[in-house]
Amino acid sequence: GAGVSQTPSNKVTEKGKYVELRCDPISGHTALYWYRQSLGQGPEFLIYFQGTGAADDSGLPNDRFFAVRPEGSVSTLKIQRTERGDSAVYLCASSLKRGEPQHFGDGTRLSIL
Amino acid sequence: SQQGEEDPQALSIQEGENATMNCSYKTSINNLQWYRQNSGRGLVHLILIRSNEREKHSGRLRVTLDTSKKSSSLLITASRAADTASYFCATVVKAAGNKLTFGGGTRVLVKP
Repeated sequence: GAGVSQTPSNKVTEKGKYVELRCDPISGHTALYWYRQSLGQGPEFLIYFQGTGAADDSGLPNDRFFAVRPEGSVSTLKIQRTERGDSAVYLCASSLKRGEPQHFGDGTRLSIL
Repeated sequence: SQQGEEDPQALSIQEGENATMNCSYKTSINNLQWYRQNSGRGLVHLILIRSNEREKHSGRLRVTLDTSKKSSSLLITASRAADTASYFCATVVKAAGNKLTFGGGTRVLVKP
């Protein structure tokens, strides 16, 4: 498959736990984005990577959220001390370069009990 | 906060009819993009229109952009049941780092 792959597709965990969400972008895409989508709403930007570096993390809601992309390909979104309000679908997208149309994965549905 | 707002929030039409949805935004943009999202899936890019363009076509899709009114419209002609999905506009603002800022979407139901 040549698309953006996100794992797991679903994650259920208890309040206070730590979670990691993984994104495999399209090969060769230098730009990678994370979004969060609540039910019935449009995606909200979280963070953008150009290569290995976080070029824009202005959408991360607080310091419990962190993301890495150590080799400029796969990215992991990490959420510490999860809260019920973190429940949402987390979407990853990649593009060949900044500003180009983005290709989205199917998301990880995160439920915090 | 969201830059784009779609109107209507929901639309129900018969197969074969045209579907029109509108998007308004607040600040000057670099480009505006339309995406489709089927239930439980990721978003699929449909069309990109730049700030110096007024109209673009792609198959049964027609997008217009009026920068003076800060609005865009997406027209789907001769709709099919498979067009049932949510449609989102997203703006790209150079000063905001070229990230996509999405509206709340229009949920379209095409009845066979």
